[in-house]
Amino acid sequence: GQQLNQSPQSMFIQEGEDVSMNCTSSSIFNTWLWYKQDPGEGPVLLIALYKAGELTSNGRLTAQFGITRKDSFLNISASIPSDVGIYFCAGLFSFGNEKLTFGTGTRLTIIP
Amino acid sequence: EAGVAQSPRYKIIEKRQSVAFWCNPISGHATLYWYQQILGQGPKLLIQFQNNGVVDDSQLPKDRFSAERLKGVDSTLKIQPAKLEDSAVYLCASSYRGQPYNEQFFGPGTRLTVL
Repeated sequence: GQQLNQSPQSMFIQEGEDVSMNCTSSSIFNTWLWYKQDPGEGPVLLIALYKAGELTSNGRLTAQFGITRKDSFLNISASIPSDVGIYFCAGLFSFGNEKLTFGTGTRLTIIP
Repeated sequence: EAGVAQSPRYKIIEKRQSVAFWCNPISGHATLYWYQQILGQGPKLLIQFQNNGVVDDSQLPKDRFSAERLKGVDSTLKIQPAKLEDSAVYLCASSYRGQPYNEQFFGPGTRLTVL
């Protein structure tokens, strides 16, 4: 099955730095979602985007639904230790059958 | 509100053995999903139930995987016989009918190691 391409694959940053990651697809999506997964846990929804060009914030997180509907971006400002984890994007094709297609993930590590 | 429950949390088996995973969704959630997450990858949908009916099982390897949700509440995913490549985390998720889309809530997963 298809997986969306995320970049970078991993990031090593210092506390307080800003983070940017993106997700691209060969297909158009109606909805873009960003999840965070901690070790030993399931993914948790961070932000949902419903319209091309939409920019949505959740605290220090900001995500954008790309104009082409084939990409999305996630920014984290002023990173803190609890931001460590794996971030996944996911695309949703339709509102009827809620089939999510996940990205390959971006692993965020904060260097002391 | 209790989240999605899964058991066991970890399972180690030898290839060609059988294994079963159990999921109890959030109360009132009609839709239940099973995902396979191989190390280093994102989750991949195996099967989706709406109440006790299958909505999508196009990516379920039906020669060895089976799943059921007999009473429209909890669900069991079975692998028989297991192969080495089945080593993965098996995630269960559930959703309710909401707007603008049906948000999925994930359980902690069962980590399967096939030796």
